[in-house]
Amino acid sequence: DTAVSQTPKYLVTQMGNDKSIKCEQNLGHDTMYWYKQDSKKFLKIMFSYNNKELIINETVPNRFSPKSPDKAHLNLHINSLELGDSAVYFCASSHVAGAQETQYFGPGTRLLVL
Amino acid sequence: AQSVTQLDSHVSVSEGTPVLLRCNYSSSYSPSLFWYVQHPNKGLQLLLKYTSAATLVKGINGFEAEFKKSETSFHLTKPSAHMSDAAEYFCVASHTGGFKTIFGAGTRLFVKA
Repeated sequence: DTAVSQTPKYLVTQMGNDKSIKCEQNLGHDTMYWYKQDSKKFLKIMFSYNNKELIINETVPNRFSPKSPDKAHLNLHINSLELGDSAVYFCASSHVAGAQETQYFGPGTRLLVL
Repeated sequence: AQSVTQLDSHVSVSEGTPVLLRCNYSSSYSPSLFWYVQHPNKGLQLLLKYTSAATLVKGINGFEAEFKKSETSFHLTKPSAHMSDAAEYFCVASHTGGFKTIFGAGTRLFVKA
């Protein structure tokens, strides 16, 4: 009955490889996000996806591409992995009540690029 | 411009003593405010959120936060710390729409036995 789930939980890979992280939410939310948390715990939003509208944080390299097969899923594909991509990636989904949006996070995927 | 400042990167308390984690925000208009907790190697869990209904907000695990507009603060408190409270805490300000969500840098809470 997990609300926001991510797979895999851990991912260790070599530089130059291509990898995907999957995210699913069963909350019925319309909006999903991907965040990157660096080693200093700083969280940076990467993408926002709402009703098939993708909003990209322009600071994110185009090696990162989100893919949403349906409203409940937002996967993250990364091409040509680099050392600096090592981080924890969090998926989140949100709902809006009145003027307030509340985000719910997945458990994170710990990516290590060697 | 919107910003969130968590005034302490680390806070250390003894078990059974009060906890205070400080957060100040800066925004052109009243944001929604949240506190999230992240336990080691875990995801972020929503502790509490501020709605305009009440300035004192109660959350899970005995935490509460008070919104003070005059001070632009949203400090998180707990009367008595427990060992299981040791974690990273994030103050978050948000307006509708993800790119208007701003995370503070986090405060690491240590609880000593």
